[in-house]
Amino acid sequence: QKEVEQDPGPLSVPEGAIVSLNCTYSNSAFQYFMWYRQYSRKGPELLMYTYSSGNKEDGRFTAQVDKSSKYISLFIRDSQPSDSATYLCATRNYQLIWGAGTKLIIKP
Amino acid sequence: DTGVSQDPRHKITKRGQNVTFRCDPISEHNRLYWYRQTLGQGPEFLTYFQNEAQLEKSRLLSDRFSAERPKGSFSTLEIQRTEQGDSAMYLCASSSVHDTHNEQFFGPGTRLTVL
Repeated sequence: QKEVEQDPGPLSVPEGAIVSLNCTYSNSAFQYFMWYRQYSRKGPELLMYTYSSGNKEDGRFTAQVDKSSKYISLFIRDSQPSDSATYLCATRNYQLIWGAGTKLIIKP
Repeated sequence: DTGVSQDPRHKITKRGQNVTFRCDPISEHNRLYWYRQTLGQGPEFLTYFQNEAQLEKSRLLSDRFSAERPKGSFSTLEIQRTEQGDSAMYLCASSSVHDTHNEQFFGPGTRLTVL
């Protein structure tokens, strides 16, 4: 079993929809959780960073961690075509441990 | 400083050849990481430096792979006797030891194709 599981998609939604992206993880000791966005042929860029359980909001993006179920989510409101990218969840001990990434397509 | 830079952006080589990639981290960052990413997968950790010291190496890093950071600034990753399975995107990231969150900033990657 991989330490971080993520559905690779692709996930295709119409512009303006609310997007929900999810990951599960196996090690209850993980405390830090990140969401990265990666455009084609580019390196990942950090979108959201959360520590332990709870929600964190930044503009149209909300990250949610549920440690009881080992489940992390990223919500995107009012999705736009420019949000089309691969979204990777990650956690860390001293190095980052990644999900496979979900390819998101926002259709105009 | 405009961020982490990597050179070259693309490399095509024949099986059995040696290749070397360079990474220039953000100037005040003393931690530097190498990852490998294949299509449809998240990055896989390869190795990690703090200043010039290589503190961690993944089992993925076979003896054909070597990384250096001689002066604690830029780093090189060399692959000897390349194999087709080495084809991937090689990503470099850097972070600051003073950042409690240890946020890693990524470069654009070097895409390696081994024919």
